[in-house]
Amino acid sequence: QQQVKQSPQSLIVQKGGISIINCAYENTAFDYFPWYQQFPGKGPALLIAIRPDVSEKKEGRFTISFNKSAKQFSLHIMDSQPGDSATYFCAAPRDDKIIFGKGTRLHILP
Amino acid sequence: GAGVSQSPSNKVTEKGKDVELRCDPISGHTALYWYRQRLGQGLEFLIYFQGNSAPDKSGLPSDRFSAERTGESVSTLTIQRTQQEDSAVYLCASSSDRVSYGYTFGSGTRLTVV
Repeated sequence: QQQVKQSPQSLIVQKGGISIINCAYENTAFDYFPWYQQFPGKGPALLIAIRPDVSEKKEGRFTISFNKSAKQFSLHIMDSQPGDSATYFCAAPRDDKIIFGKGTRLHILP
Repeated sequence: GAGVSQSPSNKVTEKGKDVELRCDPISGHTALYWYRQRLGQGLEFLIYFQGNSAPDKSGLPSDRFSAERTGESVSTLTIQRTQQEDSAVYLCASSSDRVSYGYTFGSGTRLTVV
């Protein structure tokens, strides 16, 4: 079974700092790498996604970096804010569905 | 509707009872997915519907779990003879096509088996 391995499980960052979450995948056939953000009591929501033909995608304070040779991609949150405190999931498609990492619980200290 | 709607939002049931969870996808979305999220855990794929194709049931954990979808609208996830390990949040998502991978999730049904 294709795996998506996410780290760390939890992360605490000071307000204004950079939050970095990493993911590694096993199958080179993936063609789309999304990140989802989930607040307590809510379903996950698509945050940002990247295709493997680019090495980086930036949307506001959120950046995905993609390393195809290492089969890794990461989410960077610049100038982290308390409102960014949530659980973040990396994901990859497999057979017309998405397989999710186990999630990173991010807490931004005020 | 504007989003994916799930009902009930919370369900407490006794061990051994059957439960039905409902999902109303976004109108026009042909693909519908069910995931399970245990407390503090990731999202576990259960089943996937795409149009009139046979559903992908590869994630259903046992034959106590089943799901149906009427055309491209409402879906129902049924759990028979519930067990305590079935306690989780059951999330439904829909998307406009199989290649977009831009899921829209509902807020989930929190199932507690006592």
